[in-house]
Amino acid sequence: EAQVTQNPRYLITVTGKKLTVTCSQNMNHEYMSWYRQDPGLGLRQIYYSMNVEVTDKGDVPEGYKVSRKEKRNFPLILESPSPNQTSLYFCASSLGPYTEAFFGQGTRLTVV
Amino acid sequence: KQEVTQIPAALSVPEGENLVLNCSFTDSAIYNLQWFRQDPGKGLTSLLLIQSSQREQTSGRLNASLDKSSGRSTLYIAASQPGDSATYLCAPNTGFQKLVFGTGTRLLVSP
Repeated sequence: EAQVTQNPRYLITVTGKKLTVTCSQNMNHEYMSWYRQDPGLGLRQIYYSMNVEVTDKGDVPEGYKVSRKEKRNFPLILESPSPNQTSLYFCASSLGPYTEAFFGQGTRLTVV
Repeated sequence: KQEVTQIPAALSVPEGENLVLNCSFTDSAIYNLQWFRQDPGKGLTSLLLIQSSQREQTSGRLNASLDKSSGRSTLYIAASQPGDSATYLCAPNTGFQKLVFGTGTRLLVSP
């Protein structure tokens, strides 16, 4: 089944403890992105990647890192999480820049 | 900066009604627009993708229209069912898969 898989689905952590949220797609898509969703703000793009080793900032990149070492994987790294990064995170992928985007199930992160 | 507004924010209807959900965006320089549904505790499910050169796109009981020059898209749901209850999101693509989302329309269809 074609899908975007995120792990973990739920995560509670403490301020400053480094964490990684993984994202993997099995559709051989070139483009991958991370979004966060907050009440009243909608989804906002954090980072995106156009191909292996090619990444760029979205609208809200502060406090996040990404890497794209393999085509199928696009992990989101929070090196020193803070409470304002408590949010619902989504990974997305698409074949090209103007094709249909597919989203993962989401990761609900709480930073205390 | 692209801004997306969805009206109404919430909608409650009896089963069987035909519905129109509205989406407006401020910058007409878009490549396409995608409609999604979001169910609680689940991810976003793509419903329709309408390219900037298209006026309409249909999938089953769903029909999306796009008027790029006026910055508007509508999602028409025919013969609504309780299973249609969800939050509906529109997202114009402003380039390189940068989707700009509205805050959605929360739909409740009662039996």
